[in-house]
Amino acid sequence: QQPVQSPQAVILREGEDAVINCSSSKALYSVHWYRQKHGEAPVFLMILLKGGEQKGHDKISASFNEKKQQSSLYLTASQLSYSGTYFCGTPWGAYNNNDMRFGAGTRLTVKP
Amino acid sequence: NAGVMQNPRHLVRRRGQEARLRCSPMKGHSHVYWYRQLPEEGLKFMVYLQKENIIDESGMPKERFSAEFPKEGPSILRIQQVVRGDSAAYFCASSLSGGPDTQYFGPGTRLTVL
Repeated sequence: QQPVQSPQAVILREGEDAVINCSSSKALYSVHWYRQKHGEAPVFLMILLKGGEQKGHDKISASFNEKKQQSSLYLTASQLSYSGTYFCGTPWGAYNNNDMRFGAGTRLTVKP
Repeated sequence: NAGVMQNPRHLVRRRGQEARLRCSPMKGHSHVYWYRQLPEEGLKFMVYLQKENIIDESGMPKERFSAEFPKEGPSILRIQQVVRGDSAAYFCASSLSGGPDTQYFGPGTRLTVL
């Protein structure tokens, strides 16, 4: 069992927007977003800790709908550097980071 | 401030040999997590450790795999009698606390079993 991400893959042109969704069958206490480039380690993007929270930096932002047990990552005016695989992760146990489960990932490709 | 360090970055073993993967957490972090990633797949949780304690090993295969995080030195993931199916990238992450805290990942060790 793990969070479910959609879509599995996205191809964009530079400057276009994308939304990546992460949903769970279990209650979500926090959602962590990471980006991983091929052959590299996942890099932390942001963490959302409570329902209704929205965060962002640069042109990447995220929202967390606790009641719907889902989170969305928004990438606006995408840049070539945004290419990579995006993972959402959530502690599968309550209120702690034990057994962090990650979604299968969304592969984003930004083309010139 | 050095990040999470893992070594070796690449490890080749023949079937039946042992693999030892090391992870040094970020300075000040005492919580370490190990994940396995198969090609083109997501990250699978294996084990969560604090200094000298295994907190959660629910994702660890029951045989051949073990992990430790001694009082001094790096955390070690040990795989005995490796098989081809063990070939994967193994990432460790560390965090300052065990709560809903950010995990910072190391560069990974890519294990290839011949």
